[in-house]
Amino acid sequence: EDQVTQSPEALRLQEGESSSLNCSYTVSGLRGLFWYRQDPGKGPEFLFTLYSAGEEKEKERLKATLTKKESFLHITAPKPEDSATYLCAVQRDAGNNRKLIWGLGTSLAVNP
Amino acid sequence: DAGVIQSPRHEVTEMGQEVTLRCKPISGHNSLFWYRQTMMRGLELLIYFNNNVPIDDSGMPEDRFSAKMPNASFSTLKIQPSEPRDSAVYFCASTVGGAPGTQYFGPGTRLLVL
Repeated sequence: EDQVTQSPEALRLQEGESSSLNCSYTVSGLRGLFWYRQDPGKGPEFLFTLYSAGEEKEKERLKATLTKKESFLHITAPKPEDSATYLCAVQRDAGNNRKLIWGLGTSLAVNP
Repeated sequence: DAGVIQSPRHEVTEMGQEVTLRCKPISGHNSLFWYRQTMMRGLELLIYFNNNVPIDDSGMPEDRFSAKMPNASFSTLKIQPSEPRDSAVYFCASTVGGAPGTQYFGPGTRLLVL
């Protein structure tokens, strides 16, 4: 069964304290892996797409990486405004199916 | 563009009542997704449309749920009759068909069924 598992469930960092969030997946053929950010009371907001092992994407203090089994979202020198829930999703390589399989997310709190 | 528009933003209703949630996707987007989000189960895809045609409704919980997309700029999700376990945040998202992973979400409808 296709599955996405994110860890940790929650993470509290001090401002400037770098860390990584993990997204492990089991899927029969990966078409793409996606990272989203969700602020309280809002819908998820797209961050990155990764398609193949070894690929990396960066945006400000965030860098996403991908292996054959998992993806990491590295947060370098985080600021309080990086506090949010980070969601990971995968799309299976299955014809025209546009369905994404979502993890439960990691809730990140960055203290000033 | 105003982004994906959902209404109402909040809905409180009593068990057994009919609930209709509405969504206007971003102009030019031809794929539309309805999700339900809860703390326990996270984001669950209920149904998605491509070019106004339902493609995958395997996530619709049961016959009490139905969704329509009569044209490219409007979709509804209906729950009849509603039950307390339907309480959740319902999101609508849209995207261009060639980039299904880059979905643009609306602000959601927070539904509470008493």
